[in-house]
Amino acid sequence: GESVGLHLPTLSVQEGDNSIINCAYSNSASDYFIWYKQESGKGPQFIIDIRSNMDKRQGQRVTVLLNKTVKHLSLQIAATQPGDSAVYFCAETPMFSGGYNKLIFGAGTRLAVHP
Amino acid sequence: NAGVTQTPKFQVLKTGQSMTLQCAQDMNHEYMSWYRQDPGMGLRLIHYSVGAGITDQGEVPNGYNVSRSTTEDFPLRLLSAAPSQTSVYFCASSYSRQGRAYGYTFGSGTRLTVV
Repeated sequence: GESVGLHLPTLSVQEGDNSIINCAYSNSASDYFIWYKQESGKGPQFIIDIRSNMDKRQGQRVTVLLNKTVKHLSLQIAATQPGDSAVYFCAETPMFSGGYNKLIFGAGTRLAVHP
Repeated sequence: NAGVTQTPKFQVLKTGQSMTLQCAQDMNHEYMSWYRQDPGMGLRLIHYSVGAGITDQGEVPNGYNVSRSTTEDFPLRLLSAAPSQTSVYFCASSYSRQGRAYGYTFGSGTRLTVV
């Protein structure tokens, strides 16, 4: 079945280091991917997205890399700060002609930033 | 700009009671959806709507009803609450481009406990 999984359930980093959160997806028909950040007691917050016609996309301190050959997605956070501590989800949307293309979420990775 | 607003934030129900979770968006998005999040898991789709008067089931629809009488509102009804429905519920809205949903924006969630 369709699934979006994460390799590392918990990632601990030192403040100022770079963080890399990985995600594997299983549906080769997925063509749009989103990374979300969720802080305790809050809803998922959009970080960055990428379409399948791209390999890399950069935002402010974040970069998403997409490797369609091995169906792998990663989120890189530069100069990680304590405010980056949260659970990070990747989500995929399978290509669908018409109607609503639902988000399929993985279980999430917790990022803990230590001073 | 409020985005997606959910009420209530917290609710405790007794088994068998019914209630409605409210969701409103002010972004004029065509698509709206409801997800539930259980501990340690990603979000799973309950129901969705691609426009006023049009709704459909997601992957976990049993025990829930929805309706979409306006673009702005998408209430979720629990017909007869069960302990298995204890969860955090998130409403999301998204815009349509070339027949697909983008820009998924989530509300802050409703934490429901059924005793």
